[in-house]
Amino acid sequence: DSGVTQTPKHLITATGQRVTLRCSPRSGDLSVYWYQQSLDQGLQFLIQYYNGEERAKGNILERFSAQQFPDLHSELNLSSLELGDSALYFCASSTTSGTGGTDTQYFGPGTRLTVL
Amino acid sequence: AQSVAQPEDQVNVAEGNPLTVKCTYSVSGNPYLFWYVQYPNRGLQFLLKYITGDNLVKGSYGFEAEFNKSQTSFHLKKPSALVSDSALYFCAVRDWDSNYQLIWGAGTKLIIKP
Repeated sequence: DSGVTQTPKHLITATGQRVTLRCSPRSGDLSVYWYQQSLDQGLQFLIQYYNGEERAKGNILERFSAQQFPDLHSELNLSSLELGDSALYFCASSTTSGTGGTDTQYFGPGTRLTVL
Repeated sequence: AQSVAQPEDQVNVAEGNPLTVKCTYSVSGNPYLFWYVQYPNRGLQFLLKYITGDNLVKGSYGFEAEFNKSQTSFHLKKPSALVSDSALYFCAVRDWDSNYQLIWGAGTKLIIKP
């Protein structure tokens, strides 16, 4: 158990809908990362938050947004869902902002999103 | 451009035999390298990392990795494979040009046969 929690474990929804995925980082970790894992595209970095502020952006669609709250938990909002958004969404956390390069990311169990 | 490659989609090994999962990289700065394992329907678990120092890095579950600067490789190894090692393995390298994020390999499926 990495100490990173994600809810829900599974989510089934319809195209056009909006969902919110939640992540709680390990105790003491200030950074939260969101990743998308699909069969055809592997592990894609979406976005990083550090201590409440957006730190880095990856291949995140405009329909997706995230935030990190004062208690450091994070939410990933996915809207206007499309069939192609079906994937595993992982949250990871690390101690610092990562600029030192040595930070290890610890992953949660993921949320499996199915868009029908 | 910085990149990481896992040249084998799948590696098959008999239980008890040594295993190697290959990873090569290309980075502009210091190569900070990571290995993770993903069991079915689970999140990624950190195995080990190379930052500096000894080229042989020991990690979790009996795994180790050998950093080779001249060959720009960071292969994951285990002396004696277990059936329970069957999983998906990811190599990653720190991307110094892109906000220090990790560049991920495509993953290698390791199958250990009894």
